[in-house]
Amino acid sequence: SQQGEEDPQALSIQEGENATMNCSYKTSINNLQWYRQNSGRGLVHLILIRSNEREKHSGRLRVTLDTSKKSSSLLITASRAADTASYFCATDAWNKAAGNKLTFGGGTRVLVKP
Amino acid sequence: DTGVSQDPRHKITKRGQNVTFRCDPISEHNRLYWYRQTLGQGPEFLTYFQNEAQLEKSRLLSDRFSAERPKGSFSTLEIQRTEQGDSAMYLCASSLAEGGGTQYFGPGTRLLVL
Repeated sequence: SQQGEEDPQALSIQEGENATMNCSYKTSINNLQWYRQNSGRGLVHLILIRSNEREKHSGRLRVTLDTSKKSSSLLITASRAADTASYFCATDAWNKAAGNKLTFGGGTRVLVKP
Repeated sequence: DTGVSQDPRHKITKRGQNVTFRCDPISEHNRLYWYRQTLGQGPEFLTYFQNEAQLEKSRLLSDRFSAERPKGSFSTLEIQRTEQGDSAMYLCASSLAEGGGTQYFGPGTRLLVL
């Protein structure tokens, strides 16, 4: 079963605009990660935020985490056509048996129009 | 390229046939994960190896599925008596035990069962 729910399911914006997507989850986590997937390809790791962190930046990406609300957001600033992809949040609730098994949300499909 | 590699990238088979996929993780990574992704969904965890030991299997992994990592390096995933419902992208990921949980994904093997 998938822990995360992502919102919106799809997003269409113009190049240069910002894109924001949200992720909610259900159980306690060790960390939360965001991945990008271009159509039919593998997943590319974007950013990891630990449960004791509230905000993290990487280039044009900004991730927030609110463990009290069990939610996270990913902001892509100044979007480019190359940002067109599906974005997934994944939660990691580490335990000895399952290691860092990731539980993914359903993804947000982002289309950046030139 | 020292990333995660998977072979084959695409596989078309007839129902009832057996298929085997291979994953070569990043060389120093001791953790290896298999996930399955169906169209429009996020990946779902199948199984996890720490070195050569298979530590957890999802209930998604029926008796027809078997995975091995014989020397703690590459891994194979075999599906026996394939069914049309097995059609999916099979993704492999690897990580370091001390790496904080970041998983690096391969390009995936896309399976189509006719």
